[in-house]
Amino acid sequence: AQKVTQAQTEISVVEKEDVTLDCVYETRDTTYYLFWYKQPPSGELVFLIRRNSFDEQNEISGRYSWNFQKSTSSFNFTITASQVVDSAVYFCALSEFNTDKLIFGTGTRLQVFP
Amino acid sequence: NAGVTQTPKFRILKIGQSMTLQCTQDMNHNYMYWYRQDPGMGLKLIYYSVGAGITDKGEVPNGYNVSRSTTEDFPLRLELAAPSQTSVYFCASSSRAPNQPQHFGDGTRLSIL
Repeated sequence: AQKVTQAQTEISVVEKEDVTLDCVYETRDTTYYLFWYKQPPSGELVFLIRRNSFDEQNEISGRYSWNFQKSTSSFNFTITASQVVDSAVYFCALSEFNTDKLIFGTGTRLQVFP
Repeated sequence: NAGVTQTPKFRILKIGQSMTLQCTQDMNHNYMYWYRQDPGMGLKLIYYSVGAGITDKGEVPNGYNVSRSTTEDFPLRLELAAPSQTSVYFCASSSRAPNQPQHFGDGTRLSIL
């Protein structure tokens, strides 16, 4: 069965700190996709990244970086030099190949204080 | 570019009433989805559709119905509203290619009293 676990319910940091959001997943498929979405206080869901199971290269986009490790079934998300605008709930999600159905984790609420 | 549009944004219903949540997308996406988000939880899939005339149940379909008569529209119907259906509802769409990112609407906050 598919499952996504985000054990960190809430994280608080001060601006400019680095912060890592953890995501652990379970799947029996060898081909699958992992996603991160951001939900700011305004409520909409914003797509951040998609990664397939065959691509274990880390990805960096500005202050955001993602570390995918199949050996530990983890897809962690790091924000470098956090800013107040990063305050949001972040969701990790999984879909198995060709199902297109997303299985979401319960989310991590990040609060960045000035 | 509007993307995925949901109406209404907020609604309060009485127990036993019915209503339809509207969702339309202008990206010519084949796949559309309805999710619900309960407080402190992730999103759970209610129904999805891979094209006009085709719908299928997700993880939590009980108490809901959908139809997909056009590519653009995917309404969600609550027939007999119950307090357990108080939630935020999100509609999403994605292109035909497998496992593409889903684009979400802004959500509908529904309270059943």
